[in-house]
Amino acid sequence: DVKVTQSSRYLVKRTGEKVFLECVQDMDHENMFWYRQDPGLGLRLIYFSYDVKMKEKGDIPEGYSVSREKKERFSLILESASTNQTSMYLCASSPNGLGKNSPLHFGNGTRLTVT
Amino acid sequence: AQSVTQLGSHVSVSEGALVLLRCNYSSSVPPYLFWYVQYPNQGLQLLLKYTTGATLVKGINGFEAEFKKSETSFHLTKPSAHMSDAAEYFCAVRSRGSQGNLIFGKGTKLSVKP
Repeated sequence: DVKVTQSSRYLVKRTGEKVFLECVQDMDHENMFWYRQDPGLGLRLIYFSYDVKMKEKGDIPEGYSVSREKKERFSLILESASTNQTSMYLCASSPNGLGKNSPLHFGNGTRLTVT
Repeated sequence: AQSVTQLGSHVSVSEGALVLLRCNYSSSVPPYLFWYVQYPNQGLQLLLKYTTGATLVKGINGFEAEFKKSETSFHLTKPSAHMSDAAEYFCAVRSRGSQGNLIFGKGTKLSVKP
């Protein structure tokens, strides 16, 4: 089974702090994704990556950056955390999906609170 | 742009009753379609997916969904609800030829009454 592991289940950070959310997958998937989930809004894509060292903006990239130095690891960075970034963050991975029907495999999420 | 609409943010059924969760997509070319389930404080788990072929798709936990091109729909059903089905359900689509991202609906929270 694919395993996507997010390093923290719960995080509490202060406004202005730099925050790192880490995600590791063990299935050699090319694609990795970061979503945020808010009540009534569903899942919204922040950033995604199709290969090491490459990244593409999703629908809501403002205030975030990402890093993918190794194939199995995809990090989400909040450069200066703000209260409106309090949310559930979900990492996902999939094999190369160009024209294919592979589903996304999700981690258990990180619930971030910014005070 | 591709979009997904889930009708009803909350659905409540009695145990043993039919579960029907609605999903409509906007695309002239049928996309790949997925249903996911999320239990409290967990990530999303794949229930089923439609790609090509048979329009009635069976998934885990007794759920199934039917792809109807004429209605641009992919509704999720289960003949008899169980208490353990209480969760949030998300419909998602991927455009054919896209590079992997899924577009999600806003979710439907299912409650099951004893």
